Amino acid sequence: DMKVTQMPRYLIKRMGENVLLECGQDMSHETMYWYRQDPGLGLQLIYISYDVDSNSEGDIPKGYRVSRKKREHFSLILDSAKTNQTSVYFCASRRTRVSYEQYFGPGTRLTVL
Amino acid sequence: QQQVRQSPQSLTVWEGETTILNCSYEDSTFDYFPWYRQFPGKSPALLIAISLVSNKKEDGRFTIFFNKREKKLSLHITDSQPGDSATYFCAASETGFASALTFGSGTKVIVLP
Repeated sequence: DMKVTQMPRYLIKRMGENVLLECGQDMSHETMYWYRQDPGLGLQLIYISYDVDSNSEGDIPKGYRVSRKKREHFSLILDSAKTNQTSVYFCASRRTRVSYEQYFGPGTRLTVL
Repeated sequence: QQQVRQSPQSLTVWEGETTILNCSYEDSTFDYFPWYRQFPGKSPALLIAISLVSNKKEDGRFTIFFNKREKKLSLHITDSQPGDSATYFCAASETGFASALTFGSGTKVIVLP
């Protein structure tokens, strides 16, 4: 059963604090993604990772950075979080060259006060 | 600039009716168009997809109609059921291993019994 996990599921931080969101997948998928979802805006791509240490900016990378040191793990880091980064963050993965289907994790609801 | 547009924003239908969701895009390089469904509090999951080589794609009660000339798609849900109540996202991408999906803002569907 294909699975993408995200930790934590819920997080409350104060403005200026650092935030680490973790994503894992057990499918050996090469490509992984970070999205944020805000009401009325759909899913916006933050970063895409094609494999270990091979990352590219998405549509809204400002204020975020990522790390992928192992194929199965992809981290999203917010250095000095801002209130406008309050959102639901989704990680997804895809088996490159086999399918275009993206498998999404359950999401992390981040609140920055 | 919103490259993938969806309408309506929300829609309420009665059980048994046909639900029609609309999607349009601007980028002529897009050639893969998936629809994702998201139930409240859950993550998006692939529902059905079509590529540029097809005008129509069916999967049970779900059908995509594709007008390439006008860059418009529609998702038809026949015999709508209360369990179909969800938000439906149209997305688009270029094919290729480096492709990333561009999502529309979604249509929230409520099916009344």
